[in-house]
Amino acid sequence: GDSVTQMEGPVTLSEEAFLTINCTYTATGYPSLFWYVQYPGEGLQLLLKATKADDKGSNKGFEATYRKETTSFHLEKGSVQVSDSAVYFCALAPYTGANSKLTFGKGITLSVRP
Amino acid sequence: GAGVSQTPSNKVTEKGKYVELRCDPISGHTALYWYRQSLGQGPEFLIYFQGTGAADDSGLPNDRFFAVRPEGSVSTLKIQRTERGDSAVYLCASSPYTGELFFGEGSRLTVL
Repeated sequence: GDSVTQMEGPVTLSEEAFLTINCTYTATGYPSLFWYVQYPGEGLQLLLKATKADDKGSNKGFEATYRKETTSFHLEKGSVQVSDSAVYFCALAPYTGANSKLTFGKGITLSVRP
Repeated sequence: GAGVSQTPSNKVTEKGKYVELRCDPISGHTALYWYRQSLGQGPEFLIYFQGTGAADDSGLPNDRFFAVRPEGSVSTLKIQRTERGDSAVYLCASSPYTGELFFGEGSRLTVL
């Protein structure tokens, strides 16, 4: 079945550091890929998405590129801020567009120090 | 309200009791999902409704778990004969046809 693997955490960085959070997936067909974020005390919210190979999703300075050859969707940000401290989840949906269930990774906690 | 609303936010119950968790989705969203999140894990799919019917209930762990959405809006997740292993945060999400999920803040269930 479909699965998502995220790098082990937690991750602690200083403000303005470069961030990479690794995510790889296993799926048949042509899945859509997502990053969701959960800020303290809030519900999960969509950060960015990509629906086909080589697409780049971006939002709030974060980027991730859908790499079919390496089955990866790594999240990057050039300069993190304290307000980026949250739990980040990589997820996939088995196909694009129509409603379908998401499969999530375990999540990784990011803490950014001033 | 504008977002997905879940009640109660916290529920403590005793082993063997019956529990209901409610989800009020964003108005107009046709799809509704239930997920379960255990400590240190990502959300685990339970069931998905399209309108009033369960389109996919393959994630329900056993027959103690049941969910309904009788009028295509509010949904209730029902857990019978609760066990300690049912303790988790139960998340509800709704979605328009675009497929993006909008999550509530969850209902934390503790079974003593």
